[in-house]
This record gives sequence, structure tokens and C-alpha cells, in this order.
Amino acid sequence: AQSVTQLDSQVPVFEEAPVELRCNYSSSVSVYLFWYVQYPNQGLQLLLKYLSGSTLVKGINGFEAEFNKSQTSFHLRKPSVHISDTAEYFCAVRGGGNKLTFGTGTQLKVEL
Amino acid sequence: GAGVSQSPRYKVAKRGQDVALRCDPISGHVSLFWYQQALGQGPEFLTYFQNEAQLDKSGLPSDRFFAERPEGSVSTLKIQRTQQEDSAVYLCASSLFGDPQETQYFGPGTRLLVL
Repeated sequence: AQSVTQLDSQVPVFEEAPVELRCNYSSSVSVYLFWYVQYPNQGLQLLLKYLSGSTLVKGINGFEAEFNKSQTSFHLRKPSVHISDTAEYFCAVRGGGNKLTFGTGTQLKVEL
Repeated sequence: GAGVSQSPRYKVAKRGQDVALRCDPISGHVSLFWYQQALGQGPEFLTYFQNEAQLDKSGLPSDRFFAERPEGSVSTLKIQRTQQEDSAVYLCASSLFGDPQETQYFGPGTRLLVL
């Protein structure tokens, strides 16, 4: 079985500041890791995913994430956030089966 | 092209009523997933189809929940005798084949409120 922990339920940050959203996972098998973003009243949109190879993954909207196997982490980062990045961010893991297991989400609030 | 669509977008039901939620996946996508997202929580897996075959229904919370995909395209999630704890957003997702490496594309969800 897999599980995902997102320790920060809310992260406030000023516009143009850097941000890191933390994600830790546990799994007994090799996993694929995903970050999704959810804007209000919308479905989930994929930001990026780690399948294999380079541990630094670049995604859409300037986001990137680094897979760290020893620390079982997959933290999401952006060097300079914009007001439009305000949304809920979900980390997810996919192990041996087909379903995604999600964390509880981190609400990113970008302030002027 | 068109993404995943779901209807209705909002549904209010009285406790004890039956509801049916519809999902139209991306055309040609073999795999279809249903997730339940309670308020303030991440989505939780309910069930998975590959074409018309329901391969995994381990996440369905009770026998009041039933899903079908009879022709391998549109899917319906039915909840019988709704309870207040069924209030949530129900998300549908589809992927091309169901390979674990593939991206799942999500619809906007149906927000169900049971009074």
C-alpha cells in the first residue's frame, strides 16, 4: 500500500517570492509521483510527474520538483510565484496498481 | 480536443434519494476512474474500469455505491439511499490505456450535497 503526506495544509507567500510545497510518500514498491493543481470549482490539472531518470522534473507554469528516494520526498518548488498560482496543490503516488493515492493537499495563497 | 466532462455539476439530494452521476471520458480513452473528494481532503479512489470491465472496486465505501460503463465509454456512478456522509465532490478521470506511467485527466467534478 502507498501513502502520501503533505504536512503543510496552508502556505502563504508574497508575490515574486520562492515557494516550496512538501510531499513525503511511503511505498513498498517502486512508485511514480505526480503533482496536480486544483483551481476553485475546477478539476485537477497535472503539473508534473516523475517516472524515472533525472530526479529533477520540470513542469508547467515554472514549477519543478525533485525526487529524493532516500528521503522518500517529492517537494514542489517555484522560484517566483504569481498571484495566479493561488490554488490547492496535491501530491499523488501510483504504485503497483492503477489508482492514484493523494495527499490531503496544500493551499497556496499568494499575496500582493 | 474535448476533455473529461461530468454532469450534473451540482446535485442536491434529500437523504434517502438515489442519485446518478455521469462521466464522459476523453474519446478513445480505455481507462476510467472515479474518485471521491470530501471537503478539505484529497481525492480518494473509488473504482476503475478498463473498457467495460470494472477491474477494481475496492474503494467503493458501501454496497449503496454502484458504477457501470456498459459500452466502454460513458460511465455512471449511482448512489442509492444517499446519506449525509455521501456529500462530496465526485471526480472522474480517464487515461489512454491505464498504464501506471500515464497521466490521468480529470473532469471538473460533480458536487453532491445530501440534506
